[in-house]
Amino acid sequence: SQQGEEDPQALSIQEGENATMNCSYKTSINNLQWYRQNSGRGLVHLILIRSNEREKHSGRLRVTLDTSKKSSSLLITASRAADTASYFCATDEGAQKLVFGQGTRLTINP
Amino acid sequence: DTGVSQNPRHKITKRGQNVTFRCDPISEHNRLYWYRQTLGQGPEFLTYFQNEAQLEKSRLLSDRFSAERPKGSFSTLEIQRTEQGDSAMYLCASTRVQANYGYTFGSGTRLTVV
Repeated sequence: SQQGEEDPQALSIQEGENATMNCSYKTSINNLQWYRQNSGRGLVHLILIRSNEREKHSGRLRVTLDTSKKSSSLLITASRAADTASYFCATDEGAQKLVFGQGTRLTINP
Repeated sequence: DTGVSQNPRHKITKRGQNVTFRCDPISEHNRLYWYRQTLGQGPEFLTYFQNEAQLEKSRLLSDRFSAERPKGSFSTLEIQRTEQGDSAMYLCASTRVQANYGYTFGSGTRLTVV
């Protein structure tokens, strides 16, 4: 079973615009992670936010975490064509395994 | 280190045949995970090892599936008597046991059962 739900399921924007994806989860977590997957490939780790953190930045990525609402968001600023991919949130339950959401398919139009 | 390596990249097999996939993790990582992913879905957890010990198996892992990690290095995932429903991408990932550490995934093995 999958832990989280991601919203939207698909997002299409123009190059240069910002993209925001949301993730909700159900149980208490140690951390929440975001991954990117290009078509037919493995997942690439983007960023990890701990349960006691509220916001984290990495380059053009900004992640927020609201543990009271059990939700997180990933913002990609100044999007590029190379950002076209599927993005997954994953929650670390009890430091045992990651449980993934169903993902957001992001398309950046030139 | 070249990352997590999975072989083969693609496998087409006839229903009822057995298949085996291999995963070579990052050498310093003592945890190794297997996930399965179908089209349009997120990865689903199958099983994981800490060193050579298999610590958890998902209920998705029927008795036709078996995974091993001899000597705590590479791992194999075998599917016996394959069914069409086994067609999926099988992903391997490795990480350190310490908390708050990301996973490194391989490129996956795409299985097609015909």
